[in-house]
Amino acid sequence: EAGVAQSPRYKIIEKRQSVAFWCNPISGHATLYWYQQILGQGPKLLIQFQNNGVVDDSQLPKDRFSAERLKGVDSTLKIQPAKLEDSAVYLCASSPNVARITYEQYFGPGTRLTVT
Amino acid sequence: DAKTTQPTSMDCAEGRAANLPCNHSTISGNEYVYWYRQIHSQGPQYIIHGLKNNETNEMASLIITEDRKSSTLILPHATLRDTAVYYCIPKGGSYIPTFGRGTSLIVHP
Repeated sequence: EAGVAQSPRYKIIEKRQSVAFWCNPISGHATLYWYQQILGQGPKLLIQFQNNGVVDDSQLPKDRFSAERLKGVDSTLKIQPAKLEDSAVYLCASSPNVARITYEQYFGPGTRLTVT
Repeated sequence: DAKTTQPTSMDCAEGRAANLPCNHSTISGNEYVYWYRQIHSQGPQYIIHGLKNNETNEMASLIITEDRKSSTLILPHATLRDTAVYYCIPKGGSYIPTFGRGTSLIVHP
């Protein structure tokens, strides 16, 4: 089965510019996550979707970050305007229906963002 | 959510068993213990999970103490490709998974 797809793999922008990342989860997976991973740290959850609804976005900096999953499949994460501290790898993951008691997450390769 | 403590780094000789410990003394009764690993420049990869019984799959074995306050991930015959950061994550049905800094395992020839 195909894994989680993300694009682009790398992006370099200047501060105050905007950027968008795209994620296509594993077919049939209802739950989608966006993580931010700063160098040397573990991934930090930014937002979790269940189908096209938001389950948790408590750690999403909403003044500059936004995310959507309009049809309950693909998702985009946007940063506008970017700051230097946004330099990180942005990971997308998906998992089967969250109603299951246990479920594992499947991660994409990530998008490495460098803000200069 | 339960907090975890893992060694910052470990090393292991190729072909030997790698035993990675995790302390999760505040784990609640309905939280499973999940293990993931992250090879350099890749996304995390699911390895194994368990509740209270020991588990084994094609990648690893998971030993959970009877009081569930700690667990050990065992890679029975480590290879160079097992060099990665290993994360131990207690997770309940609706809890948001939280990754710490994990253990950096280096497998050397």
